[in-house]
Amino acid sequence: ETGVTQTPRHLVMGMTNKKSLKCEQHLGHNAMYWYKQSAKKPLELMFVYSLEERVENNSVPSRFSPECPNSSHLFLHLHTLQPEDSALYLCASSQSGGGEAFFGQGTRLTVV
Amino acid sequence: QKEVEQNSGPLSVPEGAIASLNCTYSDRVSQSFFWYRQYSGKSPELIMSIYSNGDKEDGRFTAQLNKASQYVSLLIRDSQPSDSATYLCAVNEGTGRRALTFGSGTRLQVQP
Repeated sequence: ETGVTQTPRHLVMGMTNKKSLKCEQHLGHNAMYWYKQSAKKPLELMFVYSLEERVENNSVPSRFSPECPNSSHLFLHLHTLQPEDSALYLCASSQSGGGEAFFGQGTRLTVV
Repeated sequence: QKEVEQNSGPLSVPEGAIASLNCTYSDRVSQSFFWYRQYSGKSPELIMSIYSNGDKEDGRFTAQLNKASQYVSLLIRDSQPSDSATYLCAVNEGTGRRALTFGSGTRLQVQP
């Protein structure tokens, strides 16, 4: 595996479900990010992890809970989501803060 | 006030023409600038990075940076229908923030 991989690629969940999105980077980077992209809207930065420490949380609702157990893995735990949370969720990584970021393929999330 | 501004388009050019995509940014201390290409339903793909004033060429792509005017552009020569996508400008603000700031993107349509 190379680059940044995300699983699952597609996810449909009910509003009462709990699910997790997984991201793994094979680039040796030390920073990882979660972005949300809703239809016809720009990328929204959700969380930033640098050296496994959360360094930025852009006023994201608590129903989104990130976890970074090591520099290669990043999770986004989801619970009691709303239909408006349906979007493309993108993980990215970079070698240093603010450097070239490389994206995973994304998880297309639909909340029903 | 938006930090990275792009015209949303669509920018329509005929096949074989030069497509010119523009981006302005508000933070004078920004150090690094990137162009990403995003096909519909896919994740952003890094296509160009530029760090100093002037032009940087890579194949059919040329990035241009003018820090005094806070302006960065992307030229695509000999445009092909396969270049039809949304092009995202991203900036490292150099303020210590660890993530890139993205513009909302310009949609390019190359007409065969």
